[in-house]
Formats: sequence, C-alpha cells, structure tokens
Amino acid sequence: EAGVVQSPRYKIIEKKQPVAFWCNPISGHNTLYWYLQNLGQGPELLIRYENEEAVDDSQLPKDRFSAERLKGVDSTLKIQPAELGDSAVYLCASSLGAGGEQYFGPGTRLTVT
Amino acid sequence: RKEVEQDPGPFNVPEGATVAFNCTYSNSASQSFFWYRQDCRKEPKLLMSVYSSGNEDGRFTAQLNRASQYISLLIRDSKLSDSATYLCVVNTGSARQLTFGSGTQLTVLP
Repeated sequence: EAGVVQSPRYKIIEKKQPVAFWCNPISGHNTLYWYLQNLGQGPELLIRYENEEAVDDSQLPKDRFSAERLKGVDSTLKIQPAELGDSAVYLCASSLGAGGEQYFGPGTRLTVT
Repeated sequence: RKEVEQDPGPFNVPEGATVAFNCTYSNSASQSFFWYRQDCRKEPKLLMSVYSSGNEDGRFTAQLNRASQYISLLIRDSKLSDSATYLCVVNTGSARQLTFGSGTQLTVLP
C-alpha cells in the first residue's frame, strides 16, 4: 500500500516569492493534516481536514498561508509571500479518523533565502 | 507552561543499557497518548500507543500516570538502531487534536 506522498521534497525560493506543496494521503484516509516542523522541535499543526472540510485551522497564519482539499483527497498548502522565517519542513499526515494513528509523508524541506 | 513537555536530552547510552523518557502534559482531560519515533531527516512514525494500564511491545514499555500527568517510555537492552528522537504526543482540547512534544534525542553508543 502506498504511503502519504508529498511533493516537492525540497524547495529553495527567495523571500516574497510564492510556494506550494502538494500531498496525497493514504487511500481511504479521510483526515489530513499539515504540520510545520522546525529543527529540534516537534511538528506543529497548521491545519486539519476531515474530508474536504477544514475543521482546525487556528494555527494557520492566514495572512500568507492558505490550504485546500477540494475533493476530500489530495491537498495543497500555499505560502504567499514567503518570509525567511518560513524555512522549515512541511509535513503532511493522514489518518483513518481524527485522533487515530497518523501516517506521515516524507515532508517538503523549504528554504527561503 | 507548554501543553506537552519533554526533556530534550540528548541521552547518550551504551548498547544494552536501559533508558527512560518522561513527558508531562498540562490538560488533565487528555485521553489519548502516543510515542512516535523520528529518525534524522525522516518523518515521524508511530512507535506505540499508551494505554491506561500500561503496555509493552518487546523491549519498549509505555506507562501513563494520570495523577501526575505524565507518560513514560522505557527502552530495555538498547540497540544502536534505537538511536532517534522520541516524540511524545497527547490529545489536547478536543479528542481529535493531537499535540507533539519537542522530542527527546537518544543516541545509543557501541
């Protein structure tokens, strides 16, 4: 069974540029999460979807970050414009139901210069 | 106070040693607890759930102390391959909101 797929794996952009990350969860998993992880820290939740509905986006900086999961399957996270402090690993995870075991993708390592 | 706190370590132990990590949480209503393992530059993976009565999986034992609001992970007979960061995960707020600790780094030395 395929795991959570994320792309790109690495991205280097200049500040003020836009960037987008894509995630395809495990088939049948209706809950999808986007996390941000800084070096030496645990993942921090940005947004959680149950099917196509964003049910927890309280930690998403809405002035520059946006996300969508239009058909309740794959999802895109966008940053526009990127700032130096956005450099981090962006992890996507999915689970069968909220609160259950989360399976993580390999992440996208973003560097903003 | 952070919702989930862990000793960041690093813990450097010799092969065969027993090592224990603790994690404290602030929400007394928390119901779900997990330990995840994260290898360097890899994604986190579930190591084990933590049940109220405590549970064991091979060399790994997890325990929950609700009165003191902490969970623990005990690793017996450490292997080189156990070297990783161990993340404590607790549900906070609603049952579906999980919060990760900052992780405890373990290095098992030959």
